[in-house]
Amino acid sequence: ETGVTQSPTHLIKTRGQQVTLRCSSQSGHNTVSWYQQALGQGPQFIFQYYREEENGRGNFPPRFSGLQFPNYSSELNVNALELDDSALYLCAILSRQGVNTEAFFGQGTRLTVV
Amino acid sequence: KQEVTQIPAALSVPEGENLVLNCSFTDSAIYNLQWFRQDPGKGLTSLLLIQSSQREQTSGRLNASLDKSSGRSTLYIAASQPGDSATYLCAVKTGANNLFFGTGTRLTVIP
Repeated sequence: ETGVTQSPTHLIKTRGQQVTLRCSSQSGHNTVSWYQQALGQGPQFIFQYYREEENGRGNFPPRFSGLQFPNYSSELNVNALELDDSALYLCAILSRQGVNTEAFFGQGTRLTVV
Repeated sequence: KQEVTQIPAALSVPEGENLVLNCSFTDSAIYNLQWFRQDPGKGLTSLLLIQSSQREQTSGRLNASLDKSSGRSTLYIAASQPGDSATYLCAVKTGANNLFFGTGTRLTVIP
């Protein structure tokens, strides 16, 4: 296991506010991805960071932004929150072992926008 | 665009039964396929990873198969237990490095 930790676990925000979610891993993997999972749906890819640079983005507006730090921890920032942003936000690290690249997820942050 | 479908959406079985969960994907150009388990309100736990060149992987009572050319994977669970109750998600990894997920199969194992 790679010990992916997300904080906070739960969060309630008001429409129009901004939020920052955090992710770190025990092993300091250099590739981190963020996903949004609405209730009853599969996770949807938001973006990915590799060595502090964004290197892939899903169909999400620019108000979803991120950072990756030198220690490979990461943040997801969402501005101008909308009610539809209510979801479980998942962080994943990619662990490369030879030709295998396996994704390991954190426990998620449950965001509720009211 | 890659689309992943999981059938059935929900499944209820008595304890001890063997069962099969299905996953299909539209674009066969994948690097690997991963099966995950998700308990209510929790994150994803990786169960099995199958490389595109492999046909199956086994871990304990779980066996996953992959037929890349037909865009199908199955997760076989032997001798199901109440603790297996969860949502099972499959995801395919493409060249863009992100995962495409299905909507999951919600499994209930009845004691």
